[in-house]
Amino acid sequence: DTGVSQDPRHKITKRGQNVTFRCDPISEHNRLYWYRQTLGQGPEFLTYFQNEAQLEKSRLLSDRFSAERPKGSFSTLEIQRTEQGDSAMYLCASSFPAGGRDTGELFFGEGSRLTVL
Amino acid sequence: LAKTTQPISMDSYEGQEVNITCSHNNIATNDYITWYQQFPSQGPRFIIQGYKTKVTNEVASLFIPADRKSSTLSLPRVSLSDTAVYYCLVGGPYGNNRLAFGKGNQVVVIP
Repeated sequence: DTGVSQDPRHKITKRGQNVTFRCDPISEHNRLYWYRQTLGQGPEFLTYFQNEAQLEKSRLLSDRFSAERPKGSFSTLEIQRTEQGDSAMYLCASSFPAGGRDTGELFFGEGSRLTVL
Repeated sequence: LAKTTQPISMDSYEGQEVNITCSHNNIATNDYITWYQQFPSQGPRFIIQGYKTKVTNEVASLFIPADRKSSTLSLPRVSLSDTAVYYCLVGGPYGNNRLAFGKGNQVVVIP
């Protein structure tokens, strides 16, 4: 397993368009997280899944944002009607191998950079 | 979530030991202290985690005083490749799903 992978790595879109990002976590990791990071800031928590259940959402996640993890494996993050303020790096992380101990360590992907024109 | 405070940036010469401090005055009894490293255009990478006293692994040491209101990440003999942003986080190790990263500390290693 090569770690958490995210696709696409870069996305440029026009304001008002919809975009979707995909995250493939480390296999057998139960937990999957989405973060957003803007220039000069640390990552900000958006939402997290335990298997297929979305257990928590940040207030940052407006109703234009939706995340799914339908089979408890990969996840998608969709942003509808994008705004220029949505321009950021969207990071996915996974943790907690099934049957293992939760050390609290998050394994991050390299992110998907969104630019909204 | 307990808030952390770190210096914004620091420079260090190659080969020196670098000590990065973090304040977390409101740390809760069950909170652990975790440090991540982030290079440009990459996701953060876990460095080390501890609860009290001292923890050491192959890349760093973490010093936590008895009151746990601060911690210090120590990087021995840094190289240019250690130039990165370092984040200190506090939270429970179990279900610490809302880790608050803050702005981190930009460390620049100078030749």
